[in-house]
Amino acid sequence: EAGVAQSPRYKIIEKRQSVAFWCNPISGHATLYWYQQILGQGPKLLIQFQNNGVVDDSQLPKDRFSAERLKGVDSTLKIQPAKLEDSAVYLCASSLPPPEKLFFGSGTQLSVL
Amino acid sequence: GIQVEQSPPDLILQEGANSTLRCNFSDSVNNLQWFHQNPWGQLINLFYIPSGTKQNGRLSATTVATERYSLLYISSSQTTDSGVYFCAVDWWEYGNKLVFGAGTILRVKS
Repeated sequence: EAGVAQSPRYKIIEKRQSVAFWCNPISGHATLYWYQQILGQGPKLLIQFQNNGVVDDSQLPKDRFSAERLKGVDSTLKIQPAKLEDSAVYLCASSLPPPEKLFFGSGTQLSVL
Repeated sequence: GIQVEQSPPDLILQEGANSTLRCNFSDSVNNLQWFHQNPWGQLINLFYIPSGTKQNGRLSATTVATERYSLLYISSSQTTDSGVYFCAVDWWEYGNKLVFGAGTILRVKS
């Protein structure tokens, strides 16, 4: 069974530039999450989708972050414009309708210079 | 909000030793999951354990929901067990979203 796919694996940008991350969840998983993990901390939830609807985006900095999940499958997370403090690993995860076991992708390591 | 505290923060073991990692949480939870983040950053789900005990090879976990804690046991540790271990709780008031602890960094030396 294929896992959660994410790309790119690494990204380096300058502050005020824009960046986008892509995620393809495990087949059949209706719930998709984007987490931000800052070095030395546990992952923090940014946004949760159920199919193509947003369940929770209370911790998403909406002035610069946006996310969409078209057709209830793939998802993209965008940052525009990026700030230095956005340097982190961005993790995508998926599960069957919660509460269920969560499966993570390998993440995108973002460095903002 | 809910507090999720993991201990110890850091642990160094000799290969073959056993260890116990602890996760305390401050409120009722719907479920609890343990994850291992390997040195390459990949998070692997070890256990989905809202209560009771589960075993998977050299790893086992116990959650006592009424006393608000969970334990992860690693027996006969191997160097491949190195990494960060996170517990994450589904807090009933947060609605089916996981809140992560800060993790326990484990280093297993050969």
